[in-house]
Amino acid sequence: AQSVTQLGSHVSVSEGALVLLRCNYSSSVPPYLFWYVQYPNQGLQLLLKYTTGATLVKGINGFEAEFKKSETSFHLTKPSAHMSDAAEYFCAVSDSWGATNKLIFGTGTLLAVQP
Amino acid sequence: ETGVTQSPTHLIKTRGQQVTLRCSSQSGHNTVSWYQQALGQGPQFIFQYYREEENGRGNFPPRFSGLQFPNYSSELNVNALELDDSALYLCASSFNGGAYEQYFGPGTRLTVT
Repeated sequence: AQSVTQLGSHVSVSEGALVLLRCNYSSSVPPYLFWYVQYPNQGLQLLLKYTTGATLVKGINGFEAEFKKSETSFHLTKPSAHMSDAAEYFCAVSDSWGATNKLIFGTGTLLAVQP
Repeated sequence: ETGVTQSPTHLIKTRGQQVTLRCSSQSGHNTVSWYQQALGQGPQFIFQYYREEENGRGNFPPRFSGLQFPNYSSELNVNALELDDSALYLCASSFNGGAYEQYFGPGTRLTVT
């Protein structure tokens, strides 16, 4: 069965510093991988996704992630953190069986950005 | 293009009661998935509806049930509420069951006392 593990439930960075949020996956088939962001008291917003093709994926708000099959990783990065990036981030993998496609989420990483 | 909407925003119920949550899918989408997000956790898949039929279910008891209507909107019903049902309930819509482009609504915060 597919699963994802997010290392670090809380990450704190200074404004302008590099953001690195870690995600490792387990999948018996080529995975579809996603990063979602959740602001307080809101739903999930898709940041970026990897399906096939180019392994470096660019998303919204300056975020990008690289699919590394050899490391079973899909880490999220942003070169320079903004205060507005403070939120919770979820990595997810698509799990398909039959005609059903569901998302399996990690436990999330809460990103704090210090001024 | 209208996004995914959910109602109500917040709800407080008593243990043992029943609750109905509603979701309107994004324009052009025919699939609705429901997720439960407990405090401090990632969302957990409850079930999915595609063309008015249940199209897969996660590890949730039968007291969690749903419906999808001809306009592809959906309801989540929970009977015999338990304290552990307190969570954010998220609805996501997509096209033809695809998980590679699921769009989430803002959620309904359910508190069971």
